[in-house]
Amino acid sequence: SQELEQSPQSLIVQEGKNLTINCTSSKTLYGLYWYKQKYGEGLIFLMMLQKGGEEKSHEKITAKLDEKKQQSSLHITASQPSHAGIYLCGADIVGGSNYKLTFGKGTLLTVNP
Amino acid sequence: GAVVSQHPSRVICKSGTSVKIECRSLDFQATTMFWYRQFPKKSLMLMATSNEGSKATYEQGVEKDKFLINHASLTLSTLTVTSAHPEDSSFYICSAQTPDQPQHFGDGTRLSIL
Repeated sequence: SQELEQSPQSLIVQEGKNLTINCTSSKTLYGLYWYKQKYGEGLIFLMMLQKGGEEKSHEKITAKLDEKKQQSSLHITASQPSHAGIYLCGADIVGGSNYKLTFGKGTLLTVNP
Repeated sequence: GAVVSQHPSRVICKSGTSVKIECRSLDFQATTMFWYRQFPKKSLMLMATSNEGSKATYEQGVEKDKFLINHASLTLSTLTVTSAHPEDSSFYICSAQTPDQPQHFGDGTRLSIL
């Protein structure tokens, strides 16, 4: 079974609409990382969350980690075509000095102009 | 900052050929580098963790003799796919990290074995 579940798998929104992507784990998230990927390219780091209840924003993207540190959400406000791509959450589910990340399957976002 | 360069971006070669992929951290010294494989519509699969000057740690199910990893310096790691076959065709991505920074990824290498 997938250790990190992302939902939805794909999302099509009209430009200007808000949207939310979720990332859920059955294990404690010692670190949660959001990345964006365009097909056939590398991953671009968006945000890192480590503390329960933490929330970070960059431009129109906000990411939150719940108090229990088992779920994170990525929210995009007033989406634009430039937001289109694959959003991946990566998590440290081991902790300590381990730096390995487990990734979700990604959410494919399409923004129609 | 935190730029990771991966080369080549695309390789097409015949079955039986060995292919080397380079991963360089351009503006920082990476204590750890990671190699991933990505299948269509699948998540990134970690293949191995590489620390400078020591042997790579491979994930379960990844053949060490098939995927040779060398981490000769704090800015360079290489992945060599030995005697590549069509089933090795995939998208390979590296990342580099320091203890206080998140992983930063290269642009990936599309490997196609004919």
